[in-house]
This record gives sequence, structure tokens and C-alpha cells, in this order.
Amino acid sequence: QLQLQESGPGLVKPSETLSLTCSVSGDSISISRYYWGWVRQSPGKGLEWIGSIFYSGSTYYNPSLKSRVIVSVDKSKNQVSLKLNSVTAADTAVYYCARLLGFVDYWGQGILVAVSS
Amino acid sequence: DILMTQSPSSLSASVGDRVTITCRASQDIANSLAWYQQKPGRAPKILLYAASTLESGVPSRFSGSGSGTDFTLTISSLQPEDFATYYCQQYYSPPPLTFGGGTKVDIK
Repeated sequence: QLQLQESGPGLVKPSETLSLTCSVSGDSISISRYYWGWVRQSPGKGLEWIGSIFYSGSTYYNPSLKSRVIVSVDKSKNQVSLKLNSVTAADTAVYYCARLLGFVDYWGQGILVAVSS
Repeated sequence: DILMTQSPSSLSASVGDRVTITCRASQDIANSLAWYQQKPGRAPKILLYAASTLESGVPSRFSGSGSGTDFTLTISSLQPEDFATYYCQQYYSPPPLTFGGGTKVDIK
């Protein structure tokens, strides 16, 4: 059964870089036909797609975040990573790892990341 | 970007009611639309994709219709476990993938 597990710091200081890792079990990123990516949800708000990556390395980013985001894969560890730099309080959110075929068919449980000094 | 507009933003209903939620896209997205259910403190869960294809394991009381710009999610007979927030999402023209603002269904 596919499982996605997010990990990383729950608190990041303003202007620093948010770094999260998603460990995938039950599917191989290297041979999967799926995209893998990240979606976030600010407290009490709706869902915002951040970016997606294919195993080949092709990436798509939300234009509103593109200048600050990097999504990458580590095939040897079967992991997907997210880096978001120059964070502000507006980046406080639950960050979800996702498997995508356009739509998200599997979600991680999510990790709350607060941006605060 | 394709803007997804859901209505209503919230509704109150009783167990057994038929519930309809609409989602409108700012441009033609063919049938590239998904619906999700989210309960408090939980990740969203896929209900339907390709506008009307039910995800495996999802009860048949959920159905979807529409194409182009106008879409509908219908719950034929609302059950206690269906009280949640529902989101639509287009995947016709990424980037970006975009979600509707959500519809909260609560108990009347």
C-alpha cells in the first residue's frame, strides 16, 4: 500500500529556507508513471499547489512561488524534497506530499510548518 | 491561471438530503476536473476525477457531472460521515493546478 510521509522542521524563521522531505513507500519514484509534488494549506484556508516533478526530473511550479521553490527527487532513497526560500509568515501552512496524475490520488498526512521568529 | 469558483461556500443539510455543489472554471477545461473531501485535521481524499469517474472505494452516493466550464458534485443521500469540506480542482492546464475555494457541508 502506498504511503507518503512528510518530515522536516515544524518551525522556520522568517527569511530562511523551508526544507521538507517526503518518503515514499509502496511505489518507486524511478519507474512510476506519476508525478510527485507538494500542496499546501494555510490555517483555515483552501488548497494551493506548489509544484510537481516527474522521475526524469521535469518540474512544474506554481508561477506565484516559482522564484522561491525547488522540488527534487532522490531516486536512491525514494524521496521527494521541497525547498522554499525567503519564507514569511504567509508561508505558514500544512504542507502535503502528493502523488499526481493531474489530480492527486494519494496524499501524505501533512506537516504543519510555522514561520516565526 | 484558470480560476475555479465553487458555490455555495457553505451549506447546512440533514442526513438523507440530496446535496449539490457546483464548480465553475474561468475557461474550458474539458473534463479535467477532480473532487476531494476533507475532514478537519485530515488530508483531502479523492472522490472523483475526469469529472464523473468515481475513485475506487468511494460510495456510489457520490456522483459528478459536467464538462467545459460547469461542473456538479452530487451526494444523493447525505450520510453522517459526509459532513466535511469539498474542493474541486482543475488539471487541464498546468501550471498551475488550481483548486476551488471549498464548500463546507455541516449539519442543519
